[in-house]
Amino acid sequence: ETGVTQTPRHLVMGMTNKKSLKCEQHLGHNAMYWYKQSAKKPLELMFVYSLEERVENNSVPSRFSPECPNSSHLFLHLHTLQPEDSALYLCASSQEEERDYTFGSGTRLTVV
Amino acid sequence: GQSLEQPSEVTAVEGAIVQINCTYQTSGFYGLSWYQQHDGGAPTFLSYNALDGLEETGRFSSFLSRSDSYGYLLLQELQMKDSASYFCAPGSGNTPLVFGKGTRLSVIA
Repeated sequence: ETGVTQTPRHLVMGMTNKKSLKCEQHLGHNAMYWYKQSAKKPLELMFVYSLEERVENNSVPSRFSPECPNSSHLFLHLHTLQPEDSALYLCASSQEEERDYTFGSGTRLTVV
Repeated sequence: GQSLEQPSEVTAVEGAIVQINCTYQTSGFYGLSWYQQHDGGAPTFLSYNALDGLEETGRFSSFLSRSDSYGYLLLQELQMKDSASYFCAPGSGNTPLVFGKGTRLSVIA
């Protein structure tokens, strides 16, 4: 366990489905992040929450919708995804302004 | 703008030393982080350099030259378990870390 827990570990969904990814941290961090990791591509920052407020949205399609109900939990709601959205979705947390991010093990998403 | 370069693959022999270079162009550069990721695993933090020079943590060391926009990760006494991807991530002010494609290190016997 890294201190950041992501569920589910694997997810297969159809293009018309709706699902949610969950991330939980009990490290007392005040910033949480969603990153997307595709093969042969850099880790792509999707969303940032600092003190439970969204501070960055890197032009992510609206079929991805984040939610941060409190400082320990972060969700990524998915709907009408495309096959190219298949990737590893990583959640991370940190103290704001610190460079030591703690990542979860990720959710391996396959869109069929 | 921002750019980040590191080699895509490196192969080294068990017990040897390997250096993974990273060059960056980052507005408002603050410091350089390094992360390790094993296949199927989570990226884990290795080191952070805010000042020029070498930081040593056991078998791993990280170097930064701010004037050259350059850094490297040095792995000594390589072990098979060091086979992984290594990412440099330049930090800029309060903005989130930006990662490159990473360097895949293969340690062979």
